[in-house]
Amino acid sequence: QLVLTQSPSASASLGASVKLTCTLSSGHSSYAIAWHQRQPEKGPRYLIKINSDGSHSRGDGIPDRFSGSSSGADRYLTISSLQSEDEADYYCQTWGTGTYWVFGGGTKLTVL
Amino acid sequence: EVQLLESGGGLVQPGGSLRLSCAASGFTFSTYDMSWVRQAPGKGLDWVSGISSSGGSTYYADSVKGRFTISRDNSKNMVYLQMNSLRAEDTAVYYCAKDASSGSYPDYWGQGTLVTVSS
Repeated sequence: QLVLTQSPSASASLGASVKLTCTLSSGHSSYAIAWHQRQPEKGPRYLIKINSDGSHSRGDGIPDRFSGSSSGADRYLTISSLQSEDEADYYCQTWGTGTYWVFGGGTKLTVL
Repeated sequence: EVQLLESGGGLVQPGGSLRLSCAASGFTFSTYDMSWVRQAPGKGLDWVSGISSSGGSTYYADSVKGRFTISRDNSKNMVYLQMNSLRAEDTAVYYCAKDASSGSYPDYWGQGTLVTVSS
């Protein structure tokens, strides 16, 4: 079964960097994923797609402070130069044959 | 600029029906698959239903199969979600989303419309 696992919470200081992790279930380590941000009181926003080789592509207007990488079954979202507006929930999401959109449980990022 | 604007949410009693609409603009609507995703209070994102660009293929989460129907009108750039036999657990904000390419990932989202199922 295709499942994505995320830590429920993360925190980092203003101006620092943070790396969020999304882990694909066993047997699915070749899958690409996408990261989405949901700020309070707003709809989600697509940030970046990450392939298994670590190559990635950002959504329209997404600053290069948001970057992606990959290692095995793990897909990472790194946010550098943290700003207050980066405080949000971050969801990873994937897809596959016979499976439509699958979301991770989300990581709540607190900017200290 | 891509825009997705949902409407039709509201308060409905258990067992009732509601029809959500999503007005799309800023892209060639008829060439993209579309989906609905929901977020229940305090919970994460949960895919509900998807429809192919032509409308010829539809897909549903097991939790809504047989109760919800997705459709689209490419002449009006609209996608709909007809929700019947609503349950308390269907209470959520419902988001319309544009598929980047045939069932891959959403690259644009709407602001959402709240559906509350309660007596």
